[in-house]
Amino acid sequence: GNSVTQMEGPVTLSEEAFLTINCTYTATGYPSLFWYVQYPGEGLQLLLKATKADDKGSNKGFEATYRKETTSFHLEKGSVQVSDSAVYFCALSDQYNQGGKLIFGQGTELSVKP
Amino acid sequence: DGGITQSPKYLFRKEGQNVTLSCEQNLNHDAMYWYRQDPGQGLRLIYYSQIVNDFQKGDIAEGYSVSREKKESFPLTVTSAQKNPTAFYLCASSIEWYGQGVSYNEQFFGPGTRLTVL
Repeated sequence: GNSVTQMEGPVTLSEEAFLTINCTYTATGYPSLFWYVQYPGEGLQLLLKATKADDKGSNKGFEATYRKETTSFHLEKGSVQVSDSAVYFCALSDQYNQGGKLIFGQGTELSVKP
Repeated sequence: DGGITQSPKYLFRKEGQNVTLSCEQNLNHDAMYWYRQDPGQGLRLIYYSQIVNDFQKGDIAEGYSVSREKKESFPLTVTSAQKNPTAFYLCASSIEWYGQGVSYNEQFFGPGTRLTVL
């Protein structure tokens, strides 16, 4: 079945450091891929998405490229801020978008220190 | 403001009691979802509904029940049959987008309800 695997956290960085959070997936066909962010005590917000191979999603300085050859969708940011501290979830929906269901990775907690 | 509301934010119940979590949306979305979140784990789907008066079980439906009598509302009941109900519960709704030969659903989440069973 479909699945998503993220790098384990927590990840601790200093402000202005480069961020990479790895995400790999297993799916048949051509899923759509997403990154969601969860700030402490809140629900999830969509951060970025990519719906086909080689697409790059970007938002708020974060980027991720849909790599079908490596089944990956790694999240990157060139210079993190304290306000980026949150839990990040990689997710996919299958190519048939059945019921709009998403499959989530386990989440990666990011802590950015001043 | 359009959005999803969940109430209450914190909920305490005694073991053996049923409890109902509220989820309301004014986004006019057809589809709604309930997830459970435990520390160090991703979100697990409990139930989902694509349209009023219809719903399907997710991956961990045992011990839970839902109803969808109105488009705006999708309440979740945690029954006494749920063996480990203490968790953070998230409700979501979604809109379907089409473009470039693909369709995908963007899910919008409520703020969550933290349920503690004593």
